[in-house]
Amino acid sequence: AQSVTQLDSQVPVFEEAPVELRCNYSSSVSVYLFWYVQYPNQGLQLLLKYLSGSTLVESINGFEAEFNKSQTSFHLRKPSVHISDTAEYFCAVTLYGQNFVFGPGTRLSVLP
Amino acid sequence: EAGVAQSPRYKIIEKRQSVAFWCNPISGHATLYWYQQILGQGPKLLIQFQNNGVVDDSQLPKDRFSAERLKGVDSTLKIQPAKLEDSAVYLCASSLELGLEAFFGQGTRLTVV
Repeated sequence: AQSVTQLDSQVPVFEEAPVELRCNYSSSVSVYLFWYVQYPNQGLQLLLKYLSGSTLVESINGFEAEFNKSQTSFHLRKPSVHISDTAEYFCAVTLYGQNFVFGPGTRLSVLP
Repeated sequence: EAGVAQSPRYKIIEKRQSVAFWCNPISGHATLYWYQQILGQGPKLLIQFQNNGVVDDSQLPKDRFSAERLKGVDSTLKIQPAKLEDSAVYLCASSLELGLEAFFGQGTRLTVV
């Protein structure tokens, strides 16, 4: 069975600084990978996904993630964060045809 | 395109009472999920439907939780009787096919007192 590890439960960072949120997964077969964002009192929203092809995927609001098969990682990065990026970020993995397994989440706090 | 609709948004009940949640997925989405998200944790899958059949309910506490998906569209999740540890946000999600991205509703926040 697959599992997801997000080593950082909380990441405080100053506005306009770069940030990296780490995600590692365990699976013996190929998987699909996702990052979801959850703003306070809201449901989860898809931020970006890796299904196949280029290992670097980007979102419309400046986030990017790189799939590294050898390190079984899918870290999320942004070169310059904004106050509005403050939220909980969840990494998720799914085997084709099976459910999504979510990591425990990383709370990103952007400080002025 | 309308998103995943859930109701109610909030519910407070006493322990040992019953409660039901409703979910209307995105039109045409065959796969429907119910997740439980306890405060400070990631969502945990309770049950997954493909059309109106159950694909995975291995983590559903079947002695108190039940779910159904009538005609492969709307779904209800029921808890009977509720326990204090059931306090959580219950998220419904749907996807076009198994394994593709899931779209989430805003969730129902359940408080059991």
